[in-house]
Amino acid sequence: QSALTQPPSASGSPGQSVTISCTGTSSDVGSYNYVSWYQQHPGKAPKLMIYEVNKRPSGVPDRFSGSKSGNTASLTVSGLQAEDEADYYCSSYAGSNPWVFGGGTKLTVL
Amino acid sequence: EVQLVQSGAEVKKPGESLKISCKGSEYSFNSYWIGWVRQMPGKGLEWMGIIYPGDSDTRYSPSIQGQVTISADKSISIAYLQWSSLKASDTAMYYCARLLGYCTGTSCYGAFDMWGQGTMVTVSS
Repeated sequence: QSALTQPPSASGSPGQSVTISCTGTSSDVGSYNYVSWYQQHPGKAPKLMIYEVNKRPSGVPDRFSGSKSGNTASLTVSGLQAEDEADYYCSSYAGSNPWVFGGGTKLTVL
Repeated sequence: EVQLVQSGAEVKKPGESLKISCKGSEYSFNSYWIGWVRQMPGKGLEWMGIIYPGDSDTRYSPSIQGQVTISADKSISIAYLQWSSLKASDTAMYYCARLLGYCTGTSCYGAFDMWGQGTMVTVSS
């Protein structure tokens, strides 16, 4: 059982927007702004897409955005493209365990 | 190119020992924390531990503590993850990753901004 809860799957058509949620508790997501999101294509290493809730590393398209409300963080992908199809993992600081991850969401571009 | 390059895939028997490596290049390796993340087949990501190569300060996940040893040789910009006695349940892909953040005396903060390509470890009799 993962510490953070993500939907197992999400989907959208090219050009549409899709939002992936990441639900934690007041001990992790709800109390700290250290939420990050990773993209992982099959057979590849994870790639950092969002850190500190809503910051994008250099090189990440601005189609990717992050937000947080209460105990739930969200990743929104706007203007979906075929190459966005991947697994997405959220992560949050959780005190004694600096990095807890969600179970992952498989994003399908229809 | 700024990168982390990991050692190759390993196939081991239960009870054997193993040490895998992660070499940093084209950046100040000794000045960034390096973490290790496990991904079991078909599963999600799990943080195992982290080390600061500059002084070998090391932290472990409570669930991993005692099962592995993390070390580093700053003179050659390499971090290591090792097992003294492998189990079948250690079968997984192992990633090293650079921390965009910091650790204090009590905890660590940040995200992993650069990842190695992964080392697949298979433990089977």
